[in-house]
Amino acid sequence: TQLLEQSPQFLSIQEGENLTVYCNSSSVFSSLQWYRQEPGEGPVLLVTVVTGGEVKKLKRLTFQFGDARKDSSLHITAAQPGDTGLYLCAGDYDYKLSFGAGTTVTVRA
Amino acid sequence: DSGVTQTPKHLITATGQRVTLRCSPRSGDLSVYWYQQSLDQGLQFLIQYYNGEERAKGNILERFSAQQFPDLHSELNLSSLELGDSALYFCASSPRTGGANEQFFGPGTRLTVL
Repeated sequence: TQLLEQSPQFLSIQEGENLTVYCNSSSVFSSLQWYRQEPGEGPVLLVTVVTGGEVKKLKRLTFQFGDARKDSSLHITAAQPGDTGLYLCAGDYDYKLSFGAGTTVTVRA
Repeated sequence: DSGVTQTPKHLITATGQRVTLRCSPRSGDLSVYWYQQSLDQGLQFLIQYYNGEERAKGNILERFSAQQFPDLHSELNLSSLELGDSALYFCASSPRTGGANEQFFGPGTRLTVL
């Protein structure tokens, strides 16, 4: 069983639309990371959130860490085909990273 | 390019065999992590080494073992291979230890067990 549940599992949208990916758990994490993975490559870190309620922005990507540090969301504004990929959240639990199953995002031109 | 190298890129072998996957961390990174990624299990943490010492263990089978050498490169040994061991195996490195540290992932080794 996954410590972190990601939803939705798949997301297909048109270029220019917005999307939100969710990462939920019943456990509290000392920090949470978001990665993006493209086919045939390893995951690449996008952001680390540490403080409950923290919001971080990376260009068109907005990351939020829940107040109780049990959940997080990733919001992409005006998605572009280059945003296509597998988005993974990972929680720091017991000094190890526990990954969610991922959300596959496809942005159609 | 993350600076982490893994060899080989692809490996095809038969059930019952033993293979060794190799990882060279980024220059200066002391921690090496091994992960297994399969379609049904997602990305699973296997084991971590820090400066030559085992630091943390995850869902690693007894048939699997790893080590980190004095030059900081690491090897993951998989033995008595089964069909279910077919997966992508990633190595990651970071300067320090602890889950919150940014981990830089290599390109992975795709293992196919026939």
